[in-house]
Amino acid sequence: ELKVEQNPLFLSMQEGKNYTIYCNYSTTSDRLYWYRQDPGKSLESLFVLLSNGAVKQEGRLMASLDTKARLSTLHITAAVHDLSATYFCAVGADGLTFGKGTHLIIQP
Amino acid sequence: SAVISQKPSRDICQRGTSLTIQCQVDSQVTMMFWYRQQPGQSLTLIATANQGSEATYESGFVIDKFPISRPNLTFSTLTVSNMSPEDSSIYLCSVVRRPMNTEAFFGQGTRLTVV
Repeated sequence: ELKVEQNPLFLSMQEGKNYTIYCNYSTTSDRLYWYRQDPGKSLESLFVLLSNGAVKQEGRLMASLDTKARLSTLHITAAVHDLSATYFCAVGADGLTFGKGTHLIIQP
Repeated sequence: SAVISQKPSRDICQRGTSLTIQCQVDSQVTMMFWYRQQPGQSLTLIATANQGSEATYESGFVIDKFPISRPNLTFSTLTVSNMSPEDSSIYLCSVVRRPMNTEAFFGQGTRLTVV
C-alpha cells in the first residue's frame, strides 16, 4: 500500500523567509504532484515531477524529486502573504494518494 | 489543461436521502476518478470510473454506498446514498490526460452537508 507522508503539517512563517516542505512516499511511483488549495476551493496544480532529479520552478516555489530517496521537496523562497494556503503532494500513475497536506500561514 | 464541470457545487441534504453529483469533461478521457475530502482533511480516492465497465473501488468504499455511472468518455456521476452526517465532505472528480499531458486535473468540487 502506497503511503505518502508530508511534513510539516502546519507551518507559520514570516514574509521574506525561506522554508521547505517535505514529501516522502513508500513505493516507486510514476510521478509526483504538488497542489495548492485555498480555503473553500478546489486544487490548483503547481508541479508535476516525472523523473529522478527533476526540478521545476514557478515564481517563489521550486519543487524537486529524488526517486531513489522517494522524496520530494517544495521550497519557498522569500515568502509572501499570498502564498498562504494548504499544499498537498500526491503520488500515483492515475488514481492518486495524497499526503495530509501542509497548512501554511505567512505572516507580514 | 482540461475543463471539468461539476454539479452541484454545494448542497445541504437530509440524512437518509441520496445525492447524485455530475462531472462533465471538455474532452474524452479513459479514466475518471472520484475523491472525497472530509472537513480539514486530505483527499482520499473513492473509485476509478472506466467507460464501459464497472467502477473500481478503493478499500473502505463500496458500490452500494457510492454507485458510479460512466455512460460515455466525457461524463460520470457519483451518488452518495443513504446519507448520514459523516458523509459531509467535498467530493471532487478528476481526470488524467495521457499521453501528451501528465497532469491530473480536478473539478471545482461539490460541498455536501448532511443534516
